[in-house]
Amino acid sequence: DAKTTQPPSMDCAEGRAANLPCNHSTISGNEYVYWYRQIHSQGPQYIIHGLKNNETNEMASLIITEDRKSSTLILPHATLRDTAVYYCIVRFGGSEKLVFGKGTKLTVNP
Amino acid sequence: NAGVTQTPKFQVLKTGQSMTLQCAQDMNHNSMYWYRQDPGMGLRLIYYSASEGTTDKGEVPNGYNVSRLNKREFSLRLESAAPSQTSVYFCASSEGIGSTEAFFGQGTRLTVV
Repeated sequence: DAKTTQPPSMDCAEGRAANLPCNHSTISGNEYVYWYRQIHSQGPQYIIHGLKNNETNEMASLIITEDRKSSTLILPHATLRDTAVYYCIVRFGGSEKLVFGKGTKLTVNP
Repeated sequence: NAGVTQTPKFQVLKTGQSMTLQCAQDMNHNSMYWYRQDPGMGLRLIYYSASEGTTDKGEVPNGYNVSRLNKREFSLRLESAAPSQTSVYFCASSEGIGSTEAFFGQGTRLTVV
């Protein structure tokens, strides 16, 4: 599975959009980009995933660049409860494994 | 709907003791996983089971054994605990190969003294 690079920490004001970047320059054509988050040492929670098109669900939007070498997770209106560690994971479509890096610690400030 | 349930939630062991961490899921998922998370680190895969009756090693399998007892249950055993195994252990499940989402339990916090 391709390696990902994320900033170790970010801050965001409550009510503003949080944009979390992820680099995955060695991604291959059949690898998906997944995002999970972990709130306060709880078990990780799935957020969203995509292959090449942008995706949106009730939690977030995922923007993948045309060359697929990077992506951005967008939380449109961050709340204090969005404070968490966010993990960007690249995973081969047929793989059983999710390989976690260190993620980005997002702090949403009042 | 409980999802993924891990027991116990907390455990303190002495070096050399053995114990089994239990995990059960009620979502009829085929695949189950055990991860460990050390302070300030991401999760690392210990073992996984793609389906009932099969198990495979992950990134850090040494010192652990697993049993896929049935489709619902996947246990992790430490035969002779070491301080280096002090960690938070997470169990997860997913529908199977190519499934989009893994569901995680709340974790077992294990301290080996």
